[in-house]
Amino acid sequence: DQQVKQNSPSLSVQEGRISILNCDYTNSMFDYFLWYKKYPAEGPTFLISISSIKDKNEDGRFTVFLNKSAKHLSLHIVPSQPGDSAVYFCAATGGATNKLIFGTGTLLAVQP
Amino acid sequence: NAGVTQTPKFRILKIGQSMTLQCAQDMNHNYMYWYRQDPGMGLKLIYYSVGAGITDKGEVPNGYNVSRSTTEDFPLRLELAAPSQTSVYFCASSYKSGGPLHFGNGTRLTVT
Repeated sequence: DQQVKQNSPSLSVQEGRISILNCDYTNSMFDYFLWYKKYPAEGPTFLISISSIKDKNEDGRFTVFLNKSAKHLSLHIVPSQPGDSAVYFCAATGGATNKLIFGTGTLLAVQP
Repeated sequence: NAGVTQTPKFRILKIGQSMTLQCAQDMNHNYMYWYRQDPGMGLKLIYYSVGAGITDKGEVPNGYNVSRSTTEDFPLRLELAAPSQTSVYFCASSYKSGGPLHFGNGTRLTVT
C-alpha cells in the first residue's frame, strides 16, 4: 500500500522554465511534508518542507504548495537550472508515528 | 563536518552470508533510520531508533536486525543474505521526529 505516490517517474524541462513535480498521499494523519533531492551515488538531501497548517512555503527558487482537501502537494522550481537535474522524493509523516514515508521519486532532467 | 558516515560503500555477498552495515553520525541526533532503495520503489524504511537502547520496525524489517548501544552508531545486520536484499542502503539521522533527515551516501549491496 503506497501511502505517498509520485505518479510521474520522469520529467524533462528547458532551462529557465518552471518545473512542477507532483505528489499525492492517502493517509489523512500526515501533517508534515518534505521534499528531498538526490544525485547519483549520493544520499538524498533535504530541500524544503511544509506543515499542514500552511498551504505554501517558499525558499528561493523552490516553492511547495499543499492542498489538504485533495491530499496533494507540488514542488515548483523556477527558473529551472541544469544543476537541478536529479531525482526528487516527496515524503510525509504525521500522527503518532516517528516514520517518514517516501514516494517513489521523479527524475527531473533540465535541458540547457 | 562528517555528518552521517556509512561503511562500506560497496559489498558483494554470497547467499547465506552475513554482514553488518555500519552507520555513524556526529551531530548528536537521537533519531536514526535505515532505508533501502530499490529501482522504481523509492525509499523503504527498514528499522529506526528514537534513542540509544530503543529500536523499532519500519515497513520492511524482515531479514534484518539493528542495535543502538550509543547515540552515534546504528549498525544494520543481515544474518542470512538473500538475493532479495540486493539494494542500496541508506542510513539517516534527525534531531526531531519525522525529519528533516540527514542521509549518508549509501551502501550498494549485491547478493549473488
